[in-house]
Amino acid sequence: GDSVTQMEGPVTLSEEAFLTINCTYTATGYPSLFWYVQYPGEGLQLLLKATKADDKGSNKGFEATYRKETTSFHLEKGSVQVSDSAVYFCALSQGAQKLVFGQGTRLTINP
Amino acid sequence: DTGVSQNPRHKITKRGQNVTFRCDPISEHNRLYWYRQTLGQGPEFLTYFQNEAQLEKSRLLSDRFSAERPKGSFSTLEIQRTEQGDSAMYLCASSLGGPRNSHEQYFGPGTRLTVT
Repeated sequence: GDSVTQMEGPVTLSEEAFLTINCTYTATGYPSLFWYVQYPGEGLQLLLKATKADDKGSNKGFEATYRKETTSFHLEKGSVQVSDSAVYFCALSQGAQKLVFGQGTRLTINP
Repeated sequence: DTGVSQNPRHKITKRGQNVTFRCDPISEHNRLYWYRQTLGQGPEFLTYFQNEAQLEKSRLLSDRFSAERPKGSFSTLEIQRTEQGDSAMYLCASSLGGPRNSHEQYFGPGTRLTVT
């Protein structure tokens, strides 16, 4: 079945550092890809998405590009802030079907 | 638009008891999903509805679990004869299905179940 693999955490960075969280997937067909974020004490929020190959999703300074050839959707941000501390989940779905999530990556940003 | 709401937010129960959770989706959303999330893991799909029809159930959904969406609005998830392994966060999400829609799923805050 479909699956998502994320880089293991936790990841700890200093403020203004460059962030990459790796995500690769296995799927039949052409899934849509998502990054969700879970801030402490809050529910899952959609951060960004891409629905076809070579699409770039972006939001709040975060970006991820749908790479079909490498089956990847890595999350990047050029300069992280303390407020970016959260758990980040990569996910895929086939059309309007269920989301399949990775295990999550906990990110801590130190001032 | 008040978002997806879930009640209760926390539930502590003794092993063997039955529990029921409620999810109220975003009002115009016709699809509703249930997921379960254990500590340190990503959410796992349990089941989903389009309107009142239950279209898919995961193998994770044993016969002790039942979900309903009787009028295509709110949904309930019941767990009978709870076990300690049922302790988890139960998440509900909703989306607007249809060929012209993005199918983005919006999540509620979750119900945290602790089985003692």
